[in-house]
Formats: sequence, structure tokens, C-alpha cells
Amino acid sequence: EVQLVQSGAEVKKPGESLKISCKGSGYSFTSYWIGWVRQMPGKGLEWMGIIYPGDSDTRYSPSFQGQVTISADKSISTAYLQWSSLKASDTAMYYCARSVIGGAFDIWGQGTMVTVSS
Amino acid sequence: QSVLTQPPSVSAAPGQKVTISCSGSSSNIGNNYVSWYQQLPGTAPKLLIYDNNKRPSGIPDRFSGSKSGTSATLGITGLQTGDEADYYCGTWDSSLSADVVFGGGTKLTVL
Repeated sequence: EVQLVQSGAEVKKPGESLKISCKGSGYSFTSYWIGWVRQMPGKGLEWMGIIYPGDSDTRYSPSFQGQVTISADKSISTAYLQWSSLKASDTAMYYCARSVIGGAFDIWGQGTMVTVSS
Repeated sequence: QSVLTQPPSVSAAPGQKVTISCSGSSSNIGNNYVSWYQQLPGTAPKLLIYDNNKRPSGIPDRFSGSKSGTSATLGITGLQTGDEADYYCGTWDSSLSADVVFGGGTKLTVL
């Protein structure tokens, strides 16, 4: 079964760092782009960026450039999204999703809820 | 403000048909494939339509997609209460703003 499994919910304080993960299985992890999508409480989907695990080519939305870092470890079929200094406004659900030719995201992780509160 | 424009909400009775529009520009919908996603309450989005009008395996033919110029449309026939969800369109964007853009989402209510 093709799936993306994300790490569990996190509760952090402002200023703390965080790295969440997205592990792929059931397919060739290095052959598909993996994107990250933010969904703030009660809001819509926002594309953050995308990485090609085969060569770690990465692109960011201008809205998130410099705010987060996307990486991947192809040896363990895992993509990451990390923050160096969290803000309360980073509180959201974060999804990883596999991108296929044509640009659609066909497989989604279950989501990781990140709560940032003092 | 989303790059792609969707109506905030639509509603229809069970068994009826509904359409959801998604309006963009030549830098996104006009020159790229459109996909549609269904997000049931409390769950991750799910791909409904890709490449404008193709359905992934397991998606019933009650769901259809079309594109004309810089707009796309999702159609749902034979509405069921289980179709109540948020629906999002998405596509690539070849401008400098982003690689991928989503619509703001449309809440479907099945009355």
C-alpha cells in the first residue's frame, strides 16, 4: 500500500525549534516530489514548498521562503519540515503529499498538528 | 487572498447535482492541469480529480471535472450526505508567486 505517515502532534513554545517528518512507503520514494501544505485552524490549504528526494532539489513558496526548511533523507524514505524559531502564528495542521506528473497530489499524509503557545 | 477563486459555499439537496467553480489566470489554470480535492471534516485532503478531468481509482463517476480557458469546474451528481465536505482546486503556477496554488475552498452542504 502506498502511504505517507507523518510524525505525531507537537506542542511547543515560541522560539523553540521543531522538525516534523513524513515517511513514504509502498513506492519508489526517490521518484516523486513531496510537497508540504499548511492548514491553519478553520482555513484553507496553503502550499509551502516541495522537494524531490532523488536529488534534494527544493522549491519554496515565497510566503514560506526563509521561514521553514524542507529536507529529505532518501536512505530512510523520509521528508522533513523544520523551523528554527517557532511563532504562535505557526500553529496549524501540516500535511505532506506526493506529487505526480501533472501536478496533482495523489497521496496525503494524515497530518501533523503543531501548536505553538506560551 | 487565494490565487484561485472559488465560491465560499454551495448547497443542494440529496440526489441533486452541484457544480463548484475555480477561476484563475493564464499563468496557472490557463496553462496547467487542474486537480480537485475533497476534505471531509477532521481528515486529510483526498484527490478527486487530476489532469482536469481524470478520476483516480476508487473515485465514483458521480464526480467530474472540466476546464475551459482560465476556469475549471467540479461537478457532483447524485449528492449524498457523505459528500458534505470542503472542496479545493489546485494547479501549478508559472508566475513568480508560487509553484503550486490552491483555491480558497468551497464548503458543500447537502441539505
